[in-house]
Amino acid sequence: DAKTTQPPSMDCAEGRAANLPCNHSTISGNEYVYWYRQIHSQGPQYIIHGLKNNETNEMASLIITEDRKSSTLILPHATLRDTAVYYCIVSLGLRFGAGTRLTVKP
Amino acid sequence: EAGVVQSPRYKIIEKKQPVAFWCNPISGHNTLYWYLQNLGQGPELLIRYENEEAVDDSQLPKDRFSAERLKGVDSTLKIQPAELGDSAVYLCASSLQANRDEQFFGPGTRLTVL
Repeated sequence: DAKTTQPPSMDCAEGRAANLPCNHSTISGNEYVYWYRQIHSQGPQYIIHGLKNNETNEMASLIITEDRKSSTLILPHATLRDTAVYYCIVSLGLRFGAGTRLTVKP
Repeated sequence: EAGVVQSPRYKIIEKKQPVAFWCNPISGHNTLYWYLQNLGQGPELLIRYENEEAVDDSQLPKDRFSAERLKGVDSTLKIQPAELGDSAVYLCASSLQANRDEQFFGPGTRLTVL
């Protein structure tokens, strides 16, 4: 099963873009990359997903490298409420890992 | 539209006692997932259902854990007997289809085994 690797923590200034990287070098051709976030004491919340093209929605943008071995989640204007643990997973493996704890600072 | 419903939200039991968790997925979602989440870690998949069929239960400790989704709608996860190490949050999620669609998570059940 494909596994993902993320930095354990990151900080970001309020109002700036937060760029969260994820490595998924063993991803299979038909697996999607998903991003979720989890705020303390709540269930994970879906953010965005993609297969090979870059994607954007009202919450974030997802940039997937051409070889699909890594991706970056971009929160364009981070707010204090974006402080959470962010998980990158691939669809068939469903291995969440420990995620990246993003702290947005005023 | 209601999200994924789980009950109870909290459960405290003594070790060796049985416990059951219930999940009602979003209407129309064929795929249902049960996860276990320990403090400071990401969710770990226990079992995935496609309708009433368990298609991935490789991570379910079958000596004490069991699950069912009899009519392909709601699901129950049971532990019998519970051990101290089972203290965790048990999350249920659902999606239209596996692999292609996002999962919607319930609030979880926090289990404490004394």
